[in-house]
Amino acid sequence: EIVLTQSPGTLSLSPGERATLSCRASQSVSSSYLAWYQQKPGQAPRLLIYGASSRATGIPDRFSGSGSGTDFTLTISRLEPEDFAVYYCQQYGSSQTFGQGTRLEIK
Amino acid sequence: QLQLQESGPGLVKPSETLSLTCTVSGGSISSSSYYWGWIRQPPGKGLEWIGSIYYSGSTYYNPSLKSRVTISVDTSKNQFSLKLSSVTAADTAVYYCARHFLANYDILTGYYNLGWFDPWGQGTLVTVSS
Repeated sequence: EIVLTQSPGTLSLSPGERATLSCRASQSVSSSYLAWYQQKPGQAPRLLIYGASSRATGIPDRFSGSGSGTDFTLTISRLEPEDFAVYYCQQYGSSQTFGQGTRLEIK
Repeated sequence: QLQLQESGPGLVKPSETLSLTCTVSGGSISSSSYYWGWIRQPPGKGLEWIGSIYYSGSTYYNPSLKSRVTISVDTSKNQFSLKLSSVTAADTAVYYCARHFLANYDILTGYYNLGWFDPWGQGTLVTVSS
């Protein structure tokens, strides 16, 4: 099973700042089969990125994904108030597993 | 706009079987382009994929849950269902259903490589307690 480790566990930033979230896999993720989700309290996760770098429909371009192999990054270029949430990565190259999440909180 | 809605009992006794149904609206569950999946999230914790099903009945399960999980589909009702047997308190979670995109098809093995989930249902909390 591929284990995904997200860091940091919690990220404290201010609106307007740049956020960089990391997702590291225990082994190489084939074909960059990695997705990112945003989850707000009491809500279901929302797809942001698939294929490591493709934005889902309706996702603002301040969200971008990059990486390959075992190291992947979600970047939010300029934080908006509605971006403060928990973010999960998911790999689908070998079965399906999720990271433990990164909480993005307002500083 | 595709929507998914989970339904079923919110309380299940230990050792019994958890049963949930997901109703799909705004699109057909019989599309050849997608699987349909179940994911769960224990309170305050992360996400765990349970399994997914194609409209034909073909299934993929999480190996860690496979012995206790059955997922079925009813195309006439545009629904798919989850059964999880022999539940314990560790199965207490919010259960989500979601459309499961296909990443690719491996011609050599004949297996689909399942992909990302979008959209998700709102989720339903199932508590396992006597």
